[in-house]
Amino acid sequence: NAGVTQTPKFQVLKTGQSMTLQCAQDMNHNSMYWYRQDPGMGLRLIYYSASEGTTDKGEVPNGYNVSRLNKREFSLRLESAAPSQTSVYFCASSAGTYDYEQYFGPGTRLTVT
Amino acid sequence: GENVEQHPSTLSVQEGDSAVIKCTYSDSASNYFPWYKQELGKRPQLIIDIRSNVGEKKDQRIAVTLNKTAKHFSLHITETQPEDSAVYFCAAPNQGGKLIFGQGTELSVKP
Repeated sequence: NAGVTQTPKFQVLKTGQSMTLQCAQDMNHNSMYWYRQDPGMGLRLIYYSASEGTTDKGEVPNGYNVSRLNKREFSLRLESAAPSQTSVYFCASSAGTYDYEQYFGPGTRLTVT
Repeated sequence: GENVEQHPSTLSVQEGDSAVIKCTYSDSASNYFPWYKQELGKRPQLIIDIRSNVGEKKDQRIAVTLNKTAKHFSLHITETQPEDSAVYFCAAPNQGGKLIFGQGTELSVKP
């Protein structure tokens, strides 16, 4: 099993460009999450999907959109990138909302210039 | 909502010494407290967790203790080794079931 996979690993964008971060899991998990990690601020939840067909905002959703394409895949889109979105992005999954153990992907390091 | 505070932000110990990282949480209904380890450039990985019906859990050199009355829980690493050097995160769930993470502790174990 690959677990949770993310693409790309690295990305550099110019301000105003758009891109989509891809995430997939092969553990048959119901819940999926997108976090951003900034120095000294821990992991902050951007959006989550409790189950296929549902998505909801987390702590820092502004500037992002998500799509739960199917049970395996959960993508994060930046429509108009800003320097404040420079960060490391992690996707995670868990069996269910109240099955708290989360498995993380390898991360995407995004730089917006 | 849930708020999780983690201390210290950095911790440096000599190899073989013990390390303790502490987290406090605000929601008394929280019932699950995990600790994640993140090595440089890698993904966070769960190393130990505790549920609110127990006060302590051990796994070899690591242990977690929980004080529900005071709303804090701690990670204890004994006989530290250089490979323990990493950033450690605590977390607690909010009432919607989402994990709220602490700010992280960078542990450095000096040989």
